[in-house]
This record gives sequence, C-alpha cells and structure tokens, in this order.
Amino acid sequence: DQQVKQNSPSLSVQEGRISILNCDYTNSMFDYFLWYKKYPAEGPTFLISISSIKDKNEDGRFTVFLNKSAKHLSLHIVPSQPGDSAVYFCAAISSGSARQLTFGSGTQLTVLP
Amino acid sequence: EAGVVQSPRYKIIEKKQPVAFWCNPISGHNTLYWYRQNLGQGPELLIRYENEEAVDDSQLPKDRFSAERLKGVDSTLKIQPAELGDSAVYLCASRVGTGNSGANVLTFGAGSRLTVL
Repeated sequence: DQQVKQNSPSLSVQEGRISILNCDYTNSMFDYFLWYKKYPAEGPTFLISISSIKDKNEDGRFTVFLNKSAKHLSLHIVPSQPGDSAVYFCAAISSGSARQLTFGSGTQLTVLP
Repeated sequence: EAGVVQSPRYKIIEKKQPVAFWCNPISGHNTLYWYRQNLGQGPELLIRYENEEAVDDSQLPKDRFSAERLKGVDSTLKIQPAELGDSAVYLCASRVGTGNSGANVLTFGAGSRLTVL
C-alpha cells in the first residue's frame, strides 16, 4: 500500500512557464514533507520542505503548498528552467518515526527550451 | 564539506555471487540509512543506524542481506548470495541527530547501482 503517491510519472513544460508537481498521501500521521530532486547517476538532493503546521513554504523559484484536509501537496517551479529537468520525489515523515522518509515514485520533469 | 561517499558506483555480478557496498557519511552525522531504489520507484528503507547500533532493520531481508557500522562511522551493506531481483540502486544517507531529534533532512550519496545477471 503506497502511502505517498505521485500519480504523474512525467511532466513536460516549456521554459519560463510554471511547473506543478503533485503528491498525495494517505497516512494522517505524516507531519513533515520534503521534495527531493534527482539527476541521472546522482543521489537525491534536498530541494524544499514544509511542516504540517504551515500551508505554504517558498524558496526562490520553488514553492510548496500543503492541503492537509485533502492530504495533498504540490511543488510549483516558476519560472521553469532547462536545468530543472530531473526526477522529483515527494517524501513524508511521520511523527515519532525517527525521521524515516517515505517516498513517492517520482515525477520526471522535462523543461523544454 | 564532503558529502556522503559511496562505492562502488556500479557493480555487475552473476546471481549467487556476493557483493558489498560501502558508505562514508558526512562527518558528525550520527544517523545513517541504507535505502534501495528499484527502477521507476522511490527509495525504500532497508536499515537505519544510530551511531553503531542498528535501530530499525525490519525491512532488511535478513536471509541474504547484512549490514554493519563499525565505530559508528563507515557502513557496509552486503548481499550473499545475490538474486536477480536484487538489481537496484543502493543509496546511503545520513543526518545529524538521532531518534526524533536533529535534522529532518537526509543527505544522500550518489548510490551504488547493482546489476545481477
């Protein structure tokens, strides 16, 4: 049973436009959420996170939105750049889990020049 | 600051052969994780160490997998014998703190890609 779901395996966006990556979760105990970016042949690198007590966190071109009632979060990238092309993983931590990450299956973002 | 270092980066073996992966976490990071990432999926936890103690190995297939973290720094993950289904990327990660304290963010290494023929 997948507790963190990324239903879109891939997404293509034109350079300069907005990229929106979505993530749904089922475990109500999740209280911290992270997005990781992964380039080929590299490990996942941390991008941005959000605590369940917030509904938005912004860092430069990246904004994460959390809708707890819908158990849904999204990552917005504005404006998208070709260097943003990578696999994006949504991950969640449940309280008391010693920071154990539960990952989604990832979304391949391709930003077209 | 040096990141999480893993070796080898790539390994191709025949089934039933043994294989070992090595991880050097970031200095001062008390907690170390081994994850496995199958093709098209997200990483899944195999084992978590706090210092030298394996505190969560519930997802580790203990019949063929073993791990150790001597002196609470470097760690090795071993598979013996390897099976076709073990083909995956094995990721090591570390963070500051232990248990429910410390950093929320894990830093990952580049991974070791295993192909079992």
